[in-house]
Parts: sequence; structure tokens; C-alpha cells
Amino acid sequence: AQSVTQPDIHITVSEGASLELRCNYSYGATPYLFWYVQSPGQGLQLLLKYFSGDTLVQGIKGFEAEFKRSQSSFNLRKPSVHWSDAAEYFCAVGKAAGNKLTFGGGTRVLVKP
Amino acid sequence: EPEVTQTPSHQVTQMGQEVILRCVPISNHLYFYWYRQILGQKVEFLVSFYNNEISEKSEIFDDQFSVERPDGSNFTLKIRSTKLEDSAMYFCASSDPRGGVETQYFGPGTRLLVL
Repeated sequence: AQSVTQPDIHITVSEGASLELRCNYSYGATPYLFWYVQSPGQGLQLLLKYFSGDTLVQGIKGFEAEFKRSQSSFNLRKPSVHWSDAAEYFCAVGKAAGNKLTFGGGTRVLVKP
Repeated sequence: EPEVTQTPSHQVTQMGQEVILRCVPISNHLYFYWYRQILGQKVEFLVSFYNNEISEKSEIFDDQFSVERPDGSNFTLKIRSTKLEDSAMYFCASSDPRGGVETQYFGPGTRLLVL
């Protein structure tokens, strides 16, 4: 069965500092990997995704993520956070078209001025 | 940009009542999904729907739940007799796997409160 672990429940970062959110997955084949962001009271917005090819993927809002098969990880990074990046971030794994996504528990990011 | 819409945004109901949550998926998408997020917990898959039938469902999706695509645009989730533990945010999603890249796009959610 597929599973996703986000080890950090909360992260506090200063505005302008870099951010890295960890995601580890468990899946038997090549996974489809996603990062979604949920702002307070909002739905889930797709930040980026990985299916195959280049292991460093670029997303919206200046985010990027790197797929490392050897570590079963798909960590999300941003070089310089903005106050508007305060939100909850979810990593998710899927296996094929039309199949369910399995989400991690989320990491809540707080941005200090 | 096309988006998934959901109505209502909030629903309050009494335990034992039936509720219907509505979704309008992106128009050319083929797969439809419901997920839920109980407050403070992770997003959980409920059901997927393709070609007018359920393609996959979770253990959560018991006989109290049903889904329907009553016309060419709407996708609904019905809870027949709500329980307190059904209180959650319910997300609809849709996807189009044609072209080899399949991404699920989520709606803004319906927050259901069962009293």
C-alpha cells in the first residue's frame, strides 16, 4: 500500500529565508508525486508534480521539488519565502491515471516578519 | 482557467439527516473524486468515478455514501444519514488522464458540520 510521511508538522521561517519541506513516500513502483498547498479556508492548489524525467521539477510561486528515488523522498523547496506562503502544504502520491491520491499529514508553515 | 466548483461552501445539518454535496468538475475531465479532511487530520480518499460507475472506493465509503453524475456537468456525493463523525471538509476533484499526464484538480471544498 502506498503511504506518505511528512515528518514536520509545523515549520516557522522568517520572511526572506529559505524553506524546505520534507516528504517521504512508500510505493512499490515509480510513483506520481505531487505537492499541494492549502491556504486557510481554501481548497487544495497544485504547486507541482513529478511523473518522470528530470528529477528537479519547477512549480508555481517559485517552488521546486527534487525526486530522489534512493531516498524515497520528494522534498519541496523555496529559496526565499514571502508572507503569503504561510499555509499548509501536502505531499501526495498516486500510482496511475484515475487512481486515488494518498496524502501526507501536511506541514503547516508560519512566516515571521 | 477552468476550475472545479463546489456548492454549498458550508452546510450545517442535524444528525440522521441526508445531505447532498454538489460539484461541477472541469468540463473535459473524465475522472471524478471525492476526498474528505476531518479537522486537523490528513486528506483522505473516499471514492473515484469513471464512465458512470465507481472505479475505486475506500473503507470510509460505506453504504451511507453514494455518488452520482445526474447530468453532463454535476457530480454529487450523498450521505444518507449523517453522523457526527461525518463532520469534515469534503473536496471534489477531477482529472483528465489523456495525454499521459494526469493531475487531479481540487475544488474549494464544502465544510459539513453535523450537529
